[in-house]
Amino acid sequence: QQQVKQSPQSLIVQKGGIPIINCAYENTAFDYFPWYQQFPGKGPALLIAIRPDVSEKKEGRFTISFNKSAKQFSLHIMDSQPGDSATYFCAASNDYKLSFGAGTTVTVRA
Amino acid sequence: DGGITQSPKYLFRKEGQNVTLSCEQNLNHDAMYWYRQDPGQGLRLIYYSQIVNDFQKGDIAEGYSVSREKKESFPLTVTSAQKNPTAFYLCASSIGTVPGYTFGSGTRLTVV
Repeated sequence: QQQVKQSPQSLIVQKGGIPIINCAYENTAFDYFPWYQQFPGKGPALLIAIRPDVSEKKEGRFTISFNKSAKQFSLHIMDSQPGDSATYFCAASNDYKLSFGAGTTVTVRA
Repeated sequence: DGGITQSPKYLFRKEGQNVTLSCEQNLNHDAMYWYRQDPGQGLRLIYYSQIVNDFQKGDIAEGYSVSREKKESFPLTVTSAQKNPTAFYLCASSIGTVPGYTFGSGTRLTVV
């Protein structure tokens, strides 16, 4: 049973749009929530991460919003570009092990 | 440059054969992990190791084996007992006190 539920499975936006990916978890012991970006045939790369004591974190065009009471967090990609087309995974960690969501394939059309 | 090297990039196996996937890191990370990636299922943990000569089963360990004789190396053997081994295999490492992972580029295993 997946400990982190991610949606949608895929989405398509136009250049400049804001794709939003949502994740939910049940285990309140999770204390670290990273997002990974993966291009075809490559391993995932850490994009941005947040701790549960913070409600929002921005790094460049990527923003994580975190709602501890709802046990949900989301990734927003501002001013999306075709080069952002990739699969994005949310994850949650406790005791150093990461549990991953199923992934969202984002396509940004020029 | 520090990083994780997985080899080979592509591997073909006949049914009934064991194969070993290599994972080497020069990041001086204590912990290493093996994940399996299938379309639409995300990454599932096979085995992990936090120190040399010690490792634990993950969520889908059946049909797999590992060893950790050196800090830098964490090879994964896919045995003939693994009924559906065709997948993309990812190795990762972390410092151990910080959960962020560094991933290798993966090995795509195909059973022919």
